[in-house]
Amino acid sequence: GENVEQHPSTLSVQEGDSAVIKCTYSDSASNYFPWYKQELGKRPQLIIDIRSNVGEKKDQRIAVTLNKTAKHFSLHITETQPEDSAVYFCAAPHNDYKLSFGAGTTVTVRA
Amino acid sequence: ETGVTQTPRHLVMGMTNKKSLKCEQHLGHNAMYWYKQSAKKPLELMFVYSLEERVENNSVPSRFSPECPNSSHLFLHLHTLQPEDSALYLCASSQGSGRINEKLFFGSGTQLSVL
Repeated sequence: GENVEQHPSTLSVQEGDSAVIKCTYSDSASNYFPWYKQELGKRPQLIIDIRSNVGEKKDQRIAVTLNKTAKHFSLHITETQPEDSAVYFCAAPHNDYKLSFGAGTTVTVRA
Repeated sequence: ETGVTQTPRHLVMGMTNKKSLKCEQHLGHNAMYWYKQSAKKPLELMFVYSLEERVENNSVPSRFSPECPNSSHLFLHLHTLQPEDSALYLCASSQGSGRINEKLFFGSGTQLSVL
């Protein structure tokens, strides 16, 4: 099975600065890594994902990098805005049907 | 976005009660899921259904009983719960067969409190 560690648990950044969240996983065969964002009182939503055949994927201000050798992947948010304040969850495969989620990172963007 | 609808939004029940959570998806998806979200803990997968067939049961206590009568509806029947079962229960759906590389569409959840 997969064990996913996510750090930090909380992150406070000044508006306009960058935010980085890192997750490590244990199963070297894992091949799919999504990131979900959950705003306060709302449902989780997929914001970006990456497969193991690429090292980086970018979508506007959000990017995810994957280091298969070190077994970690990171979410990068540039030019943070107040609407980026939320809890972010990473995940990695536990088996064909189950994702193991990290415990979440609460990001607060200060105006 | 109202593709996945859950009812009720809030539920308070005693340990001897029997209640059911309902989920309906309007996205034409084939797979449906139940997740448990407790404070400061990772999202925990409970059950996965693909075309009404259960494909994953994550060692969930028998006091939680899922039912998937068709690919659009999913229920979670609750009986003799414990206070530690208090949590946000999230339903989700995905387009494919329930495999891990599919985008999950979550409902707003049912906030359950067991007294």
